[in-house]
Amino acid sequence: AQSVTQLGSHVSVSEGALVLLRCNYSSSVPPYLFWYVQYPNQGLQLLLKYTTGATLVKGINGFEAEFKKSETSFHLTKPSAHMSDAAEYFCAVSGKSGTSYGKLTFGQGTILTVHP
Amino acid sequence: SQTIHQWPATLVQPVGSPLSLECTVEGTSNPNLYWYRQAAGRGLQLLFYSVGIGQISSEVPQNLSASRPQDRQFILSSKKLLLSDSGFYLCAWIGDRGYGYTFGSGTRLTVV
Repeated sequence: AQSVTQLGSHVSVSEGALVLLRCNYSSSVPPYLFWYVQYPNQGLQLLLKYTTGATLVKGINGFEAEFKKSETSFHLTKPSAHMSDAAEYFCAVSGKSGTSYGKLTFGQGTILTVHP
Repeated sequence: SQTIHQWPATLVQPVGSPLSLECTVEGTSNPNLYWYRQAAGRGLQLLFYSVGIGQISSEVPQNLSASRPQDRQFILSSKKLLLSDSGFYLCAWIGDRGYGYTFGSGTRLTVV
């Protein structure tokens, strides 16, 4: 069984400020972890993913996330927010094996607002 | 390169009418295909997935069904729509390694 909890349904930051979107997961098998971004009325775009190896993962648009197994977390960060980062962000988990293989379980999403 | 197409982009249908949403994938063979639904203010929910032609697994019992008549075609259907079927429907495919979903652009369905 898998689940994802995104802490904070809405996050608001000023342009140039640090972005931190929190994600905690639970998985009965070693996980694959993902962050997706969704702009209004569009599909989901993959920001970054953790599959194996280095626990600090760099993605597109300056985002990065760190897999912390001991904390079961995969928080998304960006040092300096841009207005174009305003969107909804989803954390997701799938299993590397077993019945959860290939099936993504999503968090409820976090809407990021960036103020000028 | 691999691409995924979904249509239509938006759809307004009356309660009780049928539904057919189509998803096709290009540039790959034998993909795993998925239908997700995103209801207003909620996260994404996996509805169906398919690992091959004619093979459909349902994750959530509901008013919808899915079919895979061809390797790269995945169809979501309903015989009679309910108000609760409204939402944003996303098709996705996954590569051989079991990660790295690619999503279609989605269909916004409003049942009135």
